[in-house]
Amino acid sequence: KAGVTQTPRYLIKTRGQQVTLSCSPISGHRSVSWYQQTPGQGLQFLFEYFSETQRNKGNFPGRFSGRQFSNSRSEMNVSTLELGDSALYLCASSLLASSSYNEQFFGPGTRLTVL
Amino acid sequence: GESVGLHLPTLSVQEGDNSIINCAYSNSASDYFIWYKQESGKGPQFIIDIRSNMDKRQGQRVTVLLNKTVKHLSLQIAATQPGDSAVYFCAEIVDTGGFKTIFGAGTRLFVKA
Repeated sequence: KAGVTQTPRYLIKTRGQQVTLSCSPISGHRSVSWYQQTPGQGLQFLFEYFSETQRNKGNFPGRFSGRQFSNSRSEMNVSTLELGDSALYLCASSLLASSSYNEQFFGPGTRLTVL
Repeated sequence: GESVGLHLPTLSVQEGDNSIINCAYSNSASDYFIWYKQESGKGPQFIIDIRSNMDKRQGQRVTVLLNKTVKHLSLQIAATQPGDSAVYFCAEIVDTGGFKTIFGAGTRLFVKA
């Protein structure tokens, strides 16, 4: 069974631009979460989607948004990029979002550099 | 943002020795605690978890201890191997209608051969 895939793996953008990152969860997994990883702030939760609905959101500005499609694939978008948005963006999928926590499986991440 | 743990410390151990990685968390309402291992160029990988109603759980070569009184979590790795070199993160899972994972800053483990 293929793992979580993220595209692209590397991306370079300039300030003010916008970017869309893609995540394909493990087949059959319906929950997708996004995280930002930086040396200074560590791993921070962005949002979680389940069945095309955002169930949870971290403390990030509205420039960060996401969505999930009917096939569980997810995208996140960052508008008006800032230098501080340079980070590794990780996607994680889990089987379902129920009353019990399900193990998350992480993708390799997308390394975004903002110049 | 929310965080668990402090700055990214580094732990250097000799191959074959035992390693102990510590973590402090902040949310007493968390249901689960998880340790992840992240190798260079990869996403975090699940190692072991523990429910909040337990104080110890053992896996293969790893043991997690939970002390809710002082909000402290530790990961013990027995007979550390070079392949254990990585950054280790503790994380707490908080159910706020959806599950939010709050990660610690991480500890870098170096294993000397």
